[in-house]
Amino acid sequence: GAVVSQHPSRVICKSGTSVKIECRSLDFQATTMFWYRQFPKQSLMLMATSNEGSKATYEQGVEKDKFLINHASLTLSTLTVTSAHPEDSSFYICSARDLAGGVVSAEQYFGPGTRLTVT
Amino acid sequence: GENVEQHPSTLSVQEGDSAVIKCTYSDSASNYFPWYKQELGKRPQLIIDIRSNVGEKKDQRIAVTLNKTAKHFSLHITETQPEDSAVYFCAASWGAGNKLTFGGGTRVLVKP
Repeated sequence: GAVVSQHPSRVICKSGTSVKIECRSLDFQATTMFWYRQFPKQSLMLMATSNEGSKATYEQGVEKDKFLINHASLTLSTLTVTSAHPEDSSFYICSARDLAGGVVSAEQYFGPGTRLTVT
Repeated sequence: GENVEQHPSTLSVQEGDSAVIKCTYSDSASNYFPWYKQELGKRPQLIIDIRSNVGEKKDQRIAVTLNKTAKHFSLHITETQPEDSAVYFCAASWGAGNKLTFGGGTRVLVKP
């Protein structure tokens, strides 16, 4: 099946700094990628939909100026957590969809996740 | 928007018994219902999915049923094994390639 990678897998940063997380589709083109956040023992919550070549669509309650998303190519989307605080510590997971079969039958593949710890 | 409720939040079963997890959704436009298994610190893994034109789907020990009228769908795991222990999430979307709304998750423990 299709492969989605994320980098880094783990990152520890100090409060106030920014962190960039990359999401790559390795063997297919992804015009759309999704960014989810998962707190310990909780479900995945969609943060934003990343569209190649256009602005991301953010879910209600997600600050677009704090979580910057760039989808500059068909295989790469980045999420930058700006001015990170301890409450941003979470597991960030991306997914990418392969549109080879059209939007209705497209498959969605998840990355391995990035664990962010803000100290 | 879509809202997905999942029950129970935890489920403990004896090895060999069956496990059933139920989800309800709110948006009648949703037509794609995947189930994911997530082990600690890992990505969600798709284990089975069902589309709204089908009422039931089975894959070995796993089956999913869908009741569009009642807007609920269920995951059935038969002959459970210790390796089935994990957190299971249901989700719903319009089209498999669109954003997913997840249920709250069910932590399944299979006791040997």
